[in-house]
Amino acid sequence: GAGVSQTPSNKVTEKGKYVELRCDPISGHTALYWYRQSLGQGPEFLIYFQGTGAADDSGLPNDRFFAVRPEGSVSTLKIQRTERGDSAVYLCASSPRRTYEQYFGPGTRLTVT
Amino acid sequence: AQSVAQPEDQVNVAEGNPLTVKCTYSVSGNPYLFWYVQYPNRGLQFLLKYITGDNLVKGSYGFEAEFNKSQTSFHLKKPSALVSDSALYFCAVRDENRDDKIIFGKGTRLHILP
Repeated sequence: GAGVSQTPSNKVTEKGKYVELRCDPISGHTALYWYRQSLGQGPEFLIYFQGTGAADDSGLPNDRFFAVRPEGSVSTLKIQRTERGDSAVYLCASSPRRTYEQYFGPGTRLTVT
Repeated sequence: AQSVAQPEDQVNVAEGNPLTVKCTYSVSGNPYLFWYVQYPNRGLQFLLKYITGDNLVKGSYGFEAEFNKSQTSFHLKKPSALVSDSALYFCAVRDENRDDKIIFGKGTRLHILP
């Protein structure tokens, strides 16, 4: 079956611009997670959705970052006024139950120049 | 606060030899523990998990992991390494009392030498 998909696979943007990163989870998975992975590091938790609501957004680094999941399926991570430090691979994962294993997408590599 | 540590940045093993990738954790409640693998230019893939039950957990591709509560460890093992096992391995932990985040270690790069 289809796995988690993320678009775009690569995004290059200029400092100060706005970007949107999309995640399509596995059909039927109620939990959705966003992570950020910098070079040489493990995935860093950003936000977790259970259904349409953000159950935990404590990992979002500041108010330039925002994520939505309006219909409980596709999610969009939005970054305003991008900074060079935002450059990383952004990973999305979904899970059929929030307490068990997560299925990851291939990630979006964001480069802010 | 929950945390996980992978003390080795890199592990080198000759093909055919047994391998171990180390992981220790810290949680306030009982842990849910996971291992993931990341191949170059690919997403993270789930290998195995420990939730409860037997301390020795078997997973994908011949990997297994041993949960040791007294040592707060969850080391990944394989009896005979393959060159194709070369990848980046991540240990992760969730506290049973927390309904949300899973915390990942920084990863261990495994090199299997032919």
